[in-house]
Amino acid sequence: GESVGLHLPTLSVQEGDNSIINCAYSNSASDYFIWYKQESGKGPQFIIDIRSNMDKRQGQRVTVLLNKTVKHLSLQIAATQPGDSAVYFCAENMRDTGFQKLVFGTGTRLLVSP
Amino acid sequence: EAGVAQSPRYKIIEKRQSVAFWCNPISGHATLYWYQQILGQGPKLLIQFQNNGVVDDSQLPKDRFSAERLKGVDSTLKIQPAKLEDSAVYLCASSLVGRDTQYFGPGTRLTVL
Repeated sequence: GESVGLHLPTLSVQEGDNSIINCAYSNSASDYFIWYKQESGKGPQFIIDIRSNMDKRQGQRVTVLLNKTVKHLSLQIAATQPGDSAVYFCAENMRDTGFQKLVFGTGTRLLVSP
Repeated sequence: EAGVAQSPRYKIIEKRQSVAFWCNPISGHATLYWYQQILGQGPKLLIQFQNNGVVDDSQLPKDRFSAERLKGVDSTLKIQPAKLEDSAVYLCASSLVGRDTQYFGPGTRLTVL
């Protein structure tokens, strides 16, 4: 079946570096993508989203890039801080019979060293 | 604005016992979701409600799992009887009707012994 996946299970960076977390998706009909951050013992926290009619969207210190040609999504975090350490999930919106259905990838763990 | 509330936060039971989880969505959010998150994996949708109606329960193991949202606000998810493989975090999320962004609660960590 179609699914969302991540290339790297763990990413280790130094504080102040820029981080890039990648995600591949396989459903060409997906029209909405979202990144969540999940800290230990907490629920997923919304970071940023992007619709399929956009290539790039920026937030505070975060940027999401969407490449529909190769079905690739990335999350860029500028000036990574220790507080950014968490598991990051991408999810794609698979509309089924008109209703939203988010399908999550496995996740990438980001470790930020001071 | 208050977020999605869930209780209990932790639950430990023995296999074959029953357990129930409660969720109160963000005020005004008519759409409510229950997810199961097994350790090391992403959340997997179990059931989706819009108001008090079920939109999608295709991945809910209906022989042991049930969920209800009788008044269209808070919801309960029940497992009866529990199996060892039900050990997971059960997440509740909510969203506005017609909006794609889902907001998650803190989850309930279930351990089945």
